[in-house]
Parts: sequence; structure tokens; C-alpha cells
Amino acid sequence: QQQVKQSPQSLIVQKGGISIINCAYENTAFDYFPWYQQFPGKGPALLIAIRPDVSEKKEGRFTISFNKSAKQFSLHIMDSQPGDSATYFCAASGTNAGKSTFGDGTTLTVKP
Amino acid sequence: DTGVSQDPRHKITKRGQNVTFRCDPISEHNRLYWYRQTLGQGPEFLTYFQNEAQLEKSRLLSDRFSAERPKGSFSTLEIQRTEQGDSAMYLCASNRGAGVDGYTFGSGTRLTVV
Repeated sequence: QQQVKQSPQSLIVQKGGISIINCAYENTAFDYFPWYQQFPGKGPALLIAIRPDVSEKKEGRFTISFNKSAKQFSLHIMDSQPGDSATYFCAASGTNAGKSTFGDGTTLTVKP
Repeated sequence: DTGVSQDPRHKITKRGQNVTFRCDPISEHNRLYWYRQTLGQGPEFLTYFQNEAQLEKSRLLSDRFSAERPKGSFSTLEIQRTEQGDSAMYLCASNRGAGVDGYTFGSGTRLTVV
């Protein structure tokens, strides 16, 4: 009930391409869905987040698409750059819950 | 504000020893969280505080783990009688409160138990 499943585990994209990472959740009480970016030796950093009252949110090159009926959400990175090479985690939490449940991460490599 | 600070960055300890980690959250954040991350996995929830009150502790957390947040400021996480399976990155995060926003994470403490 608390799982968040993330795919793919790893992704290789050419510079300028689109990177797409998917997550699926089970708990319908979740109502906050952030994405985090983590570089080696650093803690995760909040990238972008969405609530289920909208189906899409865009910030610069990063877009979250949300499908409430399918209980799925995805991160799209447009015009991917080598500097985007990192591990990306999706997460989910409920408004009245303190903790977040994280996916297992996607390692993105953007080739120049 | 310099963000979330964690100390030490790295800790190597012998099996059976006790270790303590410290986290200083962003000053205006009243919630503080501890997570554990192992290689190839996402952060796993350990416990969290609202001000000085510990509101939730993971059922996966053994009695060897204890956390405190005296006066609602910094927090400490202690692991007693460390085991090799405790080797991981221990992450601290803070935010203003439930559902308001995501976490600001520190850079973590890397624990190696030998």
C-alpha cells in the first residue's frame, strides 16, 4: 500500500533529447508528488512537485505529468544536458502524514 | 541560512560501537526528518519530529536506534551496538510542515561499520 515503483532503473539519453522517468503509486491518500535530483556525495535536492488537482506542471525544462486515475506520474526533462546526469527519485506523501515514500531511483546519463 | 547541516560527513566505526550523528535544520523549519539510504535505493524513512516532539518512528527501526530533538532545534541520531547492516548514508531533512512543501536535505553522514 505504501510502495512507489519507479522505472527505468537507468537511462541513457543523447544531449538535446528528452528524458522520461515514470512512477506508480498505490496509496490513494497520497496527495503530494515531488521529484528529487541527487548527485554523488550529496543529499537529494527538490526539483519539482505536483498535487493531484492539476495534470501537468512545468518549470523550465522539467515537466511533471500526473494521471490520477492510473495512479501514475512522470518526469520529463526536455533538451537534456550532460549536467542533468544524476540520480532522480520520485516520492509521494499525504497531507496529514509526515513521511514520504521514495522510489528506488533512476540513474540518468546524458551523453554529449 | 546555510541549509541543512550534518556532522560528521563520514564515520567509520567498529562493529559493536555506538555512534551519534548531528543535524542542524533550516532555522525556520519546524519539522525534521531522518532517512537512511543504501546504495541503489531510495531514502527510507526512519523518524521525524515536529519541533521537539517525535511524531513517528519507522516500525523497521530497531531499538538500537534513538533520536532526539531537544528544544526543537538540532537533532541527534544515535545507533547503539552497531552492526555491519547499519552501514548506509544517513540523511537529515527539514521543512515547514506536512504537505506544505518538499524536503531540504543535508549532504548526509556516510556510516561504515567494519
